[in-house]
Order: sequence, then C-alpha cells, then structure tokens
Amino acid sequence: EVQLVQSGAEVKKPGTAVKISCKVSGHSFSDHYMHWVQQAPGKGLEWVGFVDPEDGETTYAEKFQGRVTITADTSTNTLYMELSSLRSEDTAIYFCATIDFDHWGQGTLVTVS
Amino acid sequence: DIVMTQSPDSLAVSLGERATINCKASQSVLDSSNNKNYLSWLQQKPGQPPKLLIYWASTRESGVPDRFSGAGSGTDFTLTVSNLQAEDVAVYYCQQHYNTPPTFGGGTKVEI
Repeated sequence: EVQLVQSGAEVKKPGTAVKISCKVSGHSFSDHYMHWVQQAPGKGLEWVGFVDPEDGETTYAEKFQGRVTITADTSTNTLYMELSSLRSEDTAIYFCATIDFDHWGQGTLVTVS
Repeated sequence: DIVMTQSPDSLAVSLGERATINCKASQSVLDSSNNKNYLSWLQQKPGQPPKLLIYWASTRESGVPDRFSGAGSGTDFTLTVSNLQAEDVAVYYCQQHYNTPPTFGGGTKVEI
C-alpha cells in the first residue's frame, strides 16, 4: 500500500523559511516524479512544482520560482519542500502527491503570522 | 499554461439524483499519438486530501464506485455522479497533465 506521510503543522514569521517533508512508502520512490501542491484556506489547488528523485531535476511553477526548493532523499524515500521569504499569502496546506496524483499526503498546514 | 474552467461553481442535488460537472480546457489535452486525454477528476472532502476518481478522462480509479463517470475529449469534459449519495458531498476538481505546469479547475462544490 502506498503511503505518503507528511510532517506536522508549522507556524512561521514573515520573511523566514519553512521546510516540510513527505515520507513515502510502498512506492518506487526513485522511479517517478513527485509533486507539491498548495491549497490556501478555502481555495482551490495550485501546483507548486515537482522533482525527479532519481537525479534531483526540478520544475517549479512560475509563482514560486526563486522561493521554493524541492528535494528528494532516495536513502530515506523522503520528499522535501522549502519555501523562503515567507509572506502571509503563503499560509496554506501543502500536499505532496505521486506523479499521476493518484496518491496524496495528508497535508501540512503552514501558517505565516 | 492551460486554463481549466469548471462550471457550475456549486450545485445542490437531491439524494439519488444526478450531478453533472463541466470542465473546459483552454487548449486540447488530447495526445493524438496515443489517443489519450490527459484529464483527471479528483474529489476532495472537507479536511481530507484530494482523491483521484477518474483519469484519461473516463477511466475510473480502482475502488471508485461506478456511479462516477467521466466523458469528453479535447477541450470539453464532464463528470457525472449518478444516484448521488450523502458521502458524495465534496468539492470536485478537474486537472490536466497534458503539459507542464499541471493545472486544476477552480472546483465545483456538490451539496445535498
């Protein structure tokens, strides 16, 4: 069974950075891209970016370019997303998801205040 | 970027009736080389992550009840929930992954 288990909620000050994680099991982590998706309170889904765990190649949404870094640790099957220069608009739930969006983590709430 | 436009924003349906949600892509998401539409439907219940219901526009994910069906090709797609059940109350999103960035529709809230 594929499981994506994300790290816990974070509260950060504006201008700082946050790094959240997503541990993957039951899935060939190195073989497929992994995504991060943002959902602001009461809003829809917005793609943040993805990483190829095999070689670390990343692609980011234009909105987050320059502030987001997505990495993958194949030794622990863990996906990371770091978002810097935080502002109030970054307050959201962030989900990790597998390449075809067929498996999702439970979400991590990041509050910037 | 491909813009995905859903309609309606919300709808109320009686138990046992049918809900129909529309999704329009700003450009075709049909790959003519394999005749597949790179269009998925996801369901999100309150406090939960999204769940994949349908991919390739009309293929149900394993375990998804057959009252959920998807149709359409190119730029125009439909999700139909027949015989609506109480547990189907959720927000439904269409999503394209024909090209990068993958994009989502704004969501349709289905209520009883």
